Amino acid sequence: DAMVIQNPRYQVTQFGKPVTLSCSQTLNHNVMYWYQQKSSQAPKLLFHYYDKDFNNEADTPDNFQSRRPNTSFCFLDIRSPGLGDAAMYLCATSRGLGVSRQYFGPGTRLLVL
Amino acid sequence: GENVEQHPSTLSVQEGDSAVIKCTYSDSASNYFPWYKQELGKRPQLIIDIRSNVGEKKDQRIAVTLNKTAKHFSLHITETQPEDSAVYFCAASPDGGSQGNLIFGKGTKLSVKP
Repeated sequence: DAMVIQNPRYQVTQFGKPVTLSCSQTLNHNVMYWYQQKSSQAPKLLFHYYDKDFNNEADTPDNFQSRRPNTSFCFLDIRSPGLGDAAMYLCATSRGLGVSRQYFGPGTRLLVL
Repeated sequence: GENVEQHPSTLSVQEGDSAVIKCTYSDSASNYFPWYKQELGKRPQLIIDIRSNVGEKKDQRIAVTLNKTAKHFSLHITETQPEDSAVYFCAASPDGGSQGNLIFGKGTKLSVKP
């Protein structure tokens, strides 16, 4: 029944060691989003894909990259994680842009040592 | 750009009482306003949403009102229960939704005391 799936649920990495987080969806939605949520803060959008079109938020650091090889999967790559990148990373999907409802995955909690 | 302000940051009510959370937005082109509930360590879950062509929407104990002129919208929870305790986020979709992003408020931690 899971509609937006994220793996792993918890990820521990070392300072500067590249890490990849995974998201998949069974909803066949056109749009996939990646959000960063730090403790006691609101989710902050990093970027989104509308089909294969990539849209980066202006203030998203270059350290964060994303790939969407097909409709179902989207990856978040952190090239050189810093201590400040420790957070919950949430994937979300929607059918379209604008007024379309966004559905969130369970998140991956990233710890940087 | 769009800015969403949310108040209060914390709210404590007695079980059975009503709770109201208010948000204001700055972009008059915003046209979609969802509310999310997030329990500790869990995903944000959409509980209700409203589009700019509607002034009020209700779903059982939850209702949302929108005042486009004043650029504010509110979440109303009636007959609160302990399981309503969570952080609630409002959001707005700026630029008429053309950019696809949601701008979130900072959240309200609701505590419902038995």
